[in-house]
Amino acid sequence: AQKVTQAQTEISVVEKEDVTLDCVYETRDTTYYLFWYKQPPSGELVFLIRRNSFDEQNEISGRYSWNFQKSTSSFNFTITASQVVDSAVYFCALALYGQNFVFGPGTRLSVLP
Amino acid sequence: EAGVTQFPSHSVIEKGQTVTLRCDPISGHDNLYWYRRVMGKEIKFLLHFVKESKQDESGMPNNRFLAERTGGTYSTLKVQPAELEDSGVYFCASSQGTWDRTKETQYFGPGTRLLVL
Repeated sequence: AQKVTQAQTEISVVEKEDVTLDCVYETRDTTYYLFWYKQPPSGELVFLIRRNSFDEQNEISGRYSWNFQKSTSSFNFTITASQVVDSAVYFCALALYGQNFVFGPGTRLSVLP
Repeated sequence: EAGVTQFPSHSVIEKGQTVTLRCDPISGHDNLYWYRRVMGKEIKFLLHFVKESKQDESGMPNNRFLAERTGGTYSTLKVQPAELEDSGVYFCASSQGTWDRTKETQYFGPGTRLLVL
């Protein structure tokens, strides 16, 4: 069975600080897909990134970066120079091809001005 | 291109009543998923349609929940009769269903917030 752990329930930072959200996953399958979604106060789930298990390259998109390490089964998400608009609940999720997502419990990020 | 839409955005009903949630996936997406988040817990899978067929309904909590996707387009999720523990946010997601694995990403709707009193 698949499992996703996000150990940080809530994080508070001051604007312009860097923050890393942790995600640890469990699966016995060798082919799987990892995702991060953002849920702002408005409630919708916004897709941020998808990473395939066979692609361990890290990725940077603006102030966002993701560190995928199969050796530690982790897919951590870093926001550089955080902004108030980054305040949201962030979910990490794992899926096998064509199957449903297994979500982590989410990390609530509060960025204070 | 329109995203996944869900209706209603909010619903408040009394225990024992019936509620029907609707999801319109992204046009052309064969896969449609229902999830829910109850009481701030994890988002949990309910079921998965491939076109009009139920591919996986292992997450449906009990027989008070009935999902349909007639014609393989929009889907409805009916809760009858609703219980207090059904309160939560119900999300719908869709994906293209292509054999190109690099495109297999689920896009979520805004969710329906259900409150059963």
